[in-house]
Amino acid sequence: AQSVSQHNHHVILSEAASLELGCNYSYGGTVNLFWYVQYPGQHLQLLLKYFSGDPLVKGIKGFEAEFIKSKFSFNLRKPSVQWSDTAEYFCAVIASGSARQLTFGSGTQLTVLP
Amino acid sequence: DTGVSQDPRHKITKRGQNVTFRCDPISEHNRLYWYRQTLGQGPEFLTYFQNEAQLEKSRLLSDRFSAERPKGSFSTLEIQRTEQGDSAMYLCASSLGGQVSGANVLTFGAGSRLTVL
Repeated sequence: AQSVSQHNHHVILSEAASLELGCNYSYGGTVNLFWYVQYPGQHLQLLLKYFSGDPLVKGIKGFEAEFIKSKFSFNLRKPSVQWSDTAEYFCAVIASGSARQLTFGSGTQLTVLP
Repeated sequence: DTGVSQDPRHKITKRGQNVTFRCDPISEHNRLYWYRQTLGQGPEFLTYFQNEAQLEKSRLLSDRFSAERPKGSFSTLEIQRTEQGDSAMYLCASSLGGQVSGANVLTFGAGSRLTVL
């Protein structure tokens, strides 16, 4: 069974700081990888996804993530965060081509100070 | 309607009562999922439908939980004899089946928060 680890539970940054949130997964086969974001009081929204091809994927709002297969990692990055990026970020994995369960990490709460 | 709708948004009930949540997926999506999220945790998979067929259930889904999707459109999740440990946010999501990439992109609803007193 697949699993996802997000090592940072709470990250606090000042505006304009750079962001990197860690995500590691365990699964022996080909995977699809996702980052979802949950802004305060809102529902989960897809930030970006990786299925195949270029391991550096770009999402909405200036976010990007890099899939490093050898490290089983899919870290989320943003060069300069804004106060409006304050949210909870979830990494998720599913076996490629599978209709089975999407497995989420426990989430990272990002607080951006103005 | 361009999103996944869930009703009610918040339910407060007494221990031992039954509750039912409804989910209306995106109309062209044939796959529907239920997840549960507790404070400080990521969503946990409960069950999944393709059209009206319930294809997978998590071990988290005890006998007190039942989900249906009778016509392959909306779905209901019923919890019988609720316990305080059932207090959580119940999330519904849908996706488009039949295409590898689209099938795995879940769109979530706002959730139904259950509080069991």
